[in-house]
Formats: sequence, C-alpha cells, structure tokens
Amino acid sequence: DQQVKQNSPSLSVQEGRISILNCDYTNSMFDYFLWYKKYPAEGPTFLISISSIKDKNEDGRFTVFLNKSAKHLSLHIVPSQPGDSAVYFCAAKGLYFGNEKLTFGTGTRLTIIP
Amino acid sequence: EAQVTQNPRYLITVTGKKLTVTCSQNMNHEYMSWYRQDPGLGLRQIYYSMNVEVTDKGDVPEGYKVSRKEKRNFPLILESPSPNQTSLYFCASSFSTRGGYTFGSGTRLTVV
Repeated sequence: DQQVKQNSPSLSVQEGRISILNCDYTNSMFDYFLWYKKYPAEGPTFLISISSIKDKNEDGRFTVFLNKSAKHLSLHIVPSQPGDSAVYFCAAKGLYFGNEKLTFGTGTRLTIIP
Repeated sequence: EAQVTQNPRYLITVTGKKLTVTCSQNMNHEYMSWYRQDPGLGLRQIYYSMNVEVTDKGDVPEGYKVSRKEKRNFPLILESPSPNQTSLYFCASSFSTRGGYTFGSGTRLTVV
C-alpha cells in the first residue's frame, strides 16, 4: 500500500524553464511533508519542507505547494539548472505518530537539458 | 563537519554469513533510523531508535536487528542474510521532528 505516490518516474526539462514535480498521498494523518534530492552514490539530502498549516513554502529557486483537500503537493524549481538533475523523493510524516518515520514516494528522476 | 557515516559502502556476502553495517552520527541527534531503497519501492524504514536503548520496528524489520548502546551509533545487523536482502541501505538521523533528516551515503549490499 503506497501511501505516498510519485506517478512520474522521470521528467526532462530545458535549462532555464520551470520543473514541476508532483506527489500525492493517501494518509490524512500526514501533516508534514519534505522533498529530498538524491545524486547517484550519495544519500538523499533535504531540500525543502512544508507543514500542513501552510499551503506554500519558498526557498530560493525551490517552492513547495500543498493542497490538503486534494492530498497533493508539488515542487517547483525555477529556473532549472543542470545541477538540478537528480532523483527527487517526496516524503511525509504525521505529528502524532510514535515513530518519526518518513514515508517516501518512489522518486522522480529529473533531467535538465542544457 | 556534521555527518552520518556508514560503513562499508559496498559489501558482497554469501547467504547465511552474519554481517554488521555500522552507522555513526556526530550531531548529537536523538533519533536514528535505517532505510532500504529498492527499485520501484522508494525508501522503506527497517528500524528506528528514539534514544539510547530505545528501538522499534519499522515497516520491513524481518531479518534485521539493531542496537543503540550509545547515542552516536546505530548498527544494523543481519544475522543470516538472504538474497532478498540485497539492497541499498541508508542510515539517517534527526534532532528536530520538524526538520530534515541527515542521511548517510549508503551501503550497497549484495547477498549471493
């Protein structure tokens, strides 16, 4: 039962354009969401997060949007740069879980075309 | 430098031969966790620890053991590895539940 879904395994975007990565979740107990970026042969690195009390969070070129009614979040990267080519994982967790577990999606491989 | 260190990075072993993957963090984090990454399945939690001597099962604990005798170390033990434990393993730690987790660089394990 995949509670966090990233339905696009891959995405290619021209350098300088906007990259939009999508994520859907099914568990209504999730209330905190994170995006991680992963390069080959490295561990995932934290990118940006959003709490369910907000619908948008920005950090430089990265913006995460949360639509709670649709159980959907997205990561926007503007402008896209070659160094953004990586696998992106969205992850979710719940405030009242005893375990600080992150539930991950299956990832989207983003390729930025120069 | 703040980091999570896993060893070894790569390991090939035979079925049934006990092995340990070490994990150490230098950030004084209370929370540590082990994940495995498999194609098409994302990262799944194996075990976690909220503090010293406090550990519990994640989503896929079968075939694994952990211990947390010191705050900085959280080794993953495979008592009798099997081929279905061939995977990429990540250790992670966190101080704040609202913050990001710091991951190690991963251990690629192959069981033949």
